[in-house]
Amino acid sequence: KAGVTQTPRYLIKTRGQQVTLSCSPISGHRSVSWYQQTPGQGLQFLFEYFSETQRNKGNFPGRFSGRQFSNSRSEMNVSTLELGDSALYLCASSPSRGENTGELFFGEGSRLTVL
Amino acid sequence: AQSVTQLGSHVSVSEGALVLLRCNYSSSVPPYLFWYVQYPNQGLQLLLKYTSAATLVKGINGFEAEFKKSETSFHLTKPSAHMSDAAEYFCAVRSSGGYQKVTFGTGTKLQVIP
Repeated sequence: KAGVTQTPRYLIKTRGQQVTLSCSPISGHRSVSWYQQTPGQGLQFLFEYFSETQRNKGNFPGRFSGRQFSNSRSEMNVSTLELGDSALYLCASSPSRGENTGELFFGEGSRLTVL
Repeated sequence: AQSVTQLGSHVSVSEGALVLLRCNYSSSVPPYLFWYVQYPNQGLQLLLKYTSAATLVKGINGFEAEFKKSETSFHLTKPSAHMSDAAEYFCAVRSSGGYQKVTFGTGTKLQVIP
């Protein structure tokens, strides 16, 4: 079974630009969560989607948005990039709600550098 | 509300020595608890999980953790450290019932000294 796939793995942007990150969950997983990881703040929850609906949202500004498609693939978008958005963005999938104890299966992340 | 506290952002042990990484949780309802490991430039990998079955949980790579409700703790241990155990370890909690996000601790970097 293929794992969680995130693209791109690395990217460099400049302030003011926008970026879109993609996540393909494990086949059969319908829940996708996104986390931002930085040395200073650790792992911060961004949002979680289940069956194309946002179920939970973290405490991030509106510049951070996401969506989920009918095939469970998810994208997150960050607009008007700031230097502080430089981070490793991790996507994680989990099984359907009935089996969901919260166990997350992570991708390798997309490392964003904002110059 | 739920939260996790990991004591010690950096821990150093000698190869062959006991590994003990501390985690305390807060949850208003019975929790699900997890330990994840992250190697450099990689995502997180599940080491073990507690889901209200046995209180002593065994995971991969020789790690285990014990759920102690009276102490609200879920410490991670390994009897003998290997060089390959050097990584960052995260404790995480999700409250049971309804639907909650998973909350992570701030992580503990484990250094193994030869």
